Amino acid sequence: KAGVTQTPRYLIKTRGQQVTLSCSPISGHRSVSWYQQTPGQGLQFLFEYFSETQRNKGNFPGRFSGRQFSNSRSEMNVSTLELGDSALYLCASSFGGEETQYFGPGTRLLVL
Amino acid sequence: GQQVMQIPQYQHVQEGEDFTTYCNSSTTLSNIQWYKQRPGGHPVFLIQLVKSGEVKKQKRLTFQFGEAKKNSSLHITATQTTDVGTYFCAVGTGNQFYFGTGTSLTVIP
Repeated sequence: KAGVTQTPRYLIKTRGQQVTLSCSPISGHRSVSWYQQTPGQGLQFLFEYFSETQRNKGNFPGRFSGRQFSNSRSEMNVSTLELGDSALYLCASSFGGEETQYFGPGTRLLVL
Repeated sequence: GQQVMQIPQYQHVQEGEDFTTYCNSSTTLSNIQWYKQRPGGHPVFLIQLVKSGEVKKQKRLTFQFGEAKKNSSLHITATQTTDVGTYFCAVGTGNQFYFGTGTSLTVIP
């Protein structure tokens, strides 16, 4: 069974730009969660989608948004990028959201 | 929201020494999971504990869930350089996962 895939793996943007990250979950998984990981803040929960609906949202500004498609693939968008948005963005899939999280390799975003 | 405190934040050990990381919650947990993230990698699921007082072993790793289901520990016996990484505990509730702050383990050969 293929694992969670994320594209792109690396990204360099400048302040003010926007970025879209993609995540394809494990086949059969309907829940996709997104996390931001930085050295100082650890793993911070961004949001969780299940069957195209956002069920939970972490404490992030509205510049961070996401969506999920009917095939469970998910995208995350960050608008008006700031230097502090530089981080590893991880997505994880599971059957229902509270079960074992299977993580993708992450997208490493650098904002200059 | 759910808060999970994890200590220590960093631990350096000589190869062959033991290592333990602790996870504590102020509320009773239905279950707890442990993940390992190698340097440059992504978190990988290790185990889930569900029952009060549960103890599970994976080779040199021993996982415990407290009797009150408010704390958990991961103990590694005779560490090896392959054990290097950050160990996270995590709690899933309300369609969301809460990760502890992690313990970064360095093993000195």
